[in-house]
Amino acid sequence: DTEVTQTPKHLVMGMTNKKSLKCEQHMGHRAMYWYKQKAKKPPELMFVYSYEKLSINESVPSRFSPECPNSSLLNLHLHALQPEDSALYLCASRGHTAGGTDTQYFGPGTRLTVL
Amino acid sequence: GESVGLHLPTLSVQEGDNSIINCAYSNSASDYFIWYKQESGKGPQFIIDIRSNMDKRQGQRVTVLLNKTVKHLSLQIAATQPGDSAVYFCAEPPNTNAGKSTFGDGTTLTVKP
Repeated sequence: DTEVTQTPKHLVMGMTNKKSLKCEQHMGHRAMYWYKQKAKKPPELMFVYSYEKLSINESVPSRFSPECPNSSLLNLHLHALQPEDSALYLCASRGHTAGGTDTQYFGPGTRLTVL
Repeated sequence: GESVGLHLPTLSVQEGDNSIINCAYSNSASDYFIWYKQESGKGPQFIIDIRSNMDKRQGQRVTVLLNKTVKHLSLQIAATQPGDSAVYFCAEPPNTNAGKSTFGDGTTLTVKP
């Protein structure tokens, strides 16, 4: 199984709502990531978890709260978001391909719209 | 600051032609690069990588060239097919310590039938 799954695929929320994005991988990867991607732009790193511990927070506002309950799961809790937070949120894990290449495996993303 | 960038935001080619997508980087110490393909509605997918001890690496229909002298790399796609239409990013992947990765701006490849 070389797949990273994300739920939901689409999410529409108001600025006062609380919601969560979920990410799951069963490849045994111990590094997981959250990225934000605006239209026609490259992914921007938000958070990095290494062995279930937060190792990098790229100065992300506190209205985004990551959580890593175990080595297979990564959540992103959302609260009091702004319309400019609307974007594609990508989860990734890091591991090796069958050929030994060290790379990131990306999920399909959650398309978030904040009204 | 350190960055990875691409030369052209869009590239349009005829089906069957070869495609060349370029990327420049600024950090002379960079030693590992990955090319990703992102199709509409999907996350980026690994295509091919290259380390700084190599000048060229070939995969299936794809070749990456690295010129460390001018800090430039390119992705060549042979016999481009409609399924190759996507956004292509060059990137420096996370290193072990910092865990940070840097993506270039992306080139949108359109293949005309």
